Amino acid sequence: GIQVEQSPPDLILQEGANSTLRCNFSDSVNNLQWFHQNPWGQLINLFYIPSGTKQNGRLSATTVATERYSLLYISSSQTTDSGVYFCAVDPFPISSGSARQLTFGSGTQLTVLP
Amino acid sequence: EAGVAQSPRYKIIEKRQSVAFWCNPISGHATLYWYQQILGQGPKLLIQFQNNGVVDDSQLPKDRFSAERLKGVDSTLKIQPAKLEDSAVYLCASSPRGLLRSYEQYFGPGTRLTVT
Repeated sequence: GIQVEQSPPDLILQEGANSTLRCNFSDSVNNLQWFHQNPWGQLINLFYIPSGTKQNGRLSATTVATERYSLLYISSSQTTDSGVYFCAVDPFPISSGSARQLTFGSGTQLTVLP
Repeated sequence: EAGVAQSPRYKIIEKRQSVAFWCNPISGHATLYWYQQILGQGPKLLIQFQNNGVVDDSQLPKDRFSAERLKGVDSTLKIQPAKLEDSAVYLCASSPRGLLRSYEQYFGPGTRLTVT
């Protein structure tokens, strides 16, 4: 099956710093989502971004589908940004008739210090 | 718009007992998913429903896990009997009809299960 690798596994920042999280995937994908899992375990949707670039406030994401990677940028980080960031992909070709599913990476644990 | 609802939020049981989790997806979402998330890992798909039919249960341990979505709306996931390794967060997600194209999935708050 498809491999989804996230880096770095852990990241510690001072409040106000910028960061870049990376997601590499081993095959073509139909869908790519970025999630933030807060300390209470809730998965919060950040971006639905199978290709291209999107921005939402201090966060932005870029997916280069042809090179099989996606980047999540966090600018001017705040303590509330702490948590685990997951990348998840839908790997099956539409033509295969397979049900649409998500395969998750192992996440990046972000800690923002005050 | 209400999000995905799950209950209970927390459950502690002894091994060999049974437990059930409930999920109500976003209104109008045809596809419902159950995921298992073990501490320190990403969520892993257990079972996927399209309306009231199962489209993928290949990763569901069927000797002890079962799930149903009888009326194509809410769903129940059951574990019987539970093992220590079943301690995890069980997440429910939903998306609009998702067979011919990929849609964004939305997750509920999860149920944290501890098996002692």
